[in-house]
Amino acid sequence: DAGVTQSPTHLIKTRGQQVTLRCSPKSGHDTVSWYQQALGQGPQFIFQYYEEEERQRGNFPDRFSGHQFPNYSSELNVNALLLGDSALYLCASSLRDTEYEQYFGPGTRLTVT
Amino acid sequence: AQKVTQAQTEISVVEKEDVTLDCVYETRDTTYYLFWYKQPPSGELVFLIRRNSFDEQNEISGRYSWNFQKSTSSFNFTITASQVVDSAVYFCALLTRRAGNNRKLIWGLGTSLAVNP
Repeated sequence: DAGVTQSPTHLIKTRGQQVTLRCSPKSGHDTVSWYQQALGQGPQFIFQYYEEEERQRGNFPDRFSGHQFPNYSSELNVNALLLGDSALYLCASSLRDTEYEQYFGPGTRLTVT
Repeated sequence: AQKVTQAQTEISVVEKEDVTLDCVYETRDTTYYLFWYKQPPSGELVFLIRRNSFDEQNEISGRYSWNFQKSTSSFNFTITASQVVDSAVYFCALLTRRAGNNRKLIWGLGTSLAVNP
C-alpha cells in the first residue's frame, strides 16, 4: 500500500518562472491538501482539493493554484516565483470528512534564486 | 481565533534525560483534534499521536507520553530517557470541526529538540 508520494524531491527555479509540483495520495484517499513550510516555520495551509475542486483555501495569493485529477492526484502550480516562495511544499491526503487522518508525503524542496 | 503556541523554540538535552515539549492551543470549538508530529532533518512529517477533544485520557507509547488538559488548553509531550534519534523538530497541531468546510490543520511553530550524546 503506497503512501503519499511527491515529485520532484528537489527543484531549483529562477525568480519569475513557474513551477508545478505533483502529489499522489495514499491509496483510497480522495482529498489532497497542500502546505508550504518555510525554513524554521510550521506548515502553512495553502488549499485543499476534493472532487476535483478547491474546497478550502488559506491566505495565499492567486499565484498559487492547483488541480486535482479524476484519479485524485493533484498538482500545485506557482506562477511568477518570488524568492520568498522558497520552502518545503508538503502534500497530505485523507478521506473526505476524516481530515483528522491526514498522511503526509516527503515534500518537495523548492529553491528560488 | 484558533491558535497553537509552542513556547519552546529550541531545547537541548543530554541523552537519557527526560524532556517535555509544551503545546497550548486556542479554539472556541467544542469538537477538535490535537496532534503531535515529528519532523526529522529529512523533512517528512511523521505522525505521533491524535487526541480528540472528548478524550482527556493521557497516553503512553513506549518512551513517549502525552498529557492533555482541557482546563489549561494544553497538550504536552514528554519523551522519557531521550535518545539521539529523537533529535528533530516537533510540531503540535489543531484541527477543528466547524460548520461548513473550514477544517484545516493549524500548526504551532515547532520545537527543535537536540539530544546530545
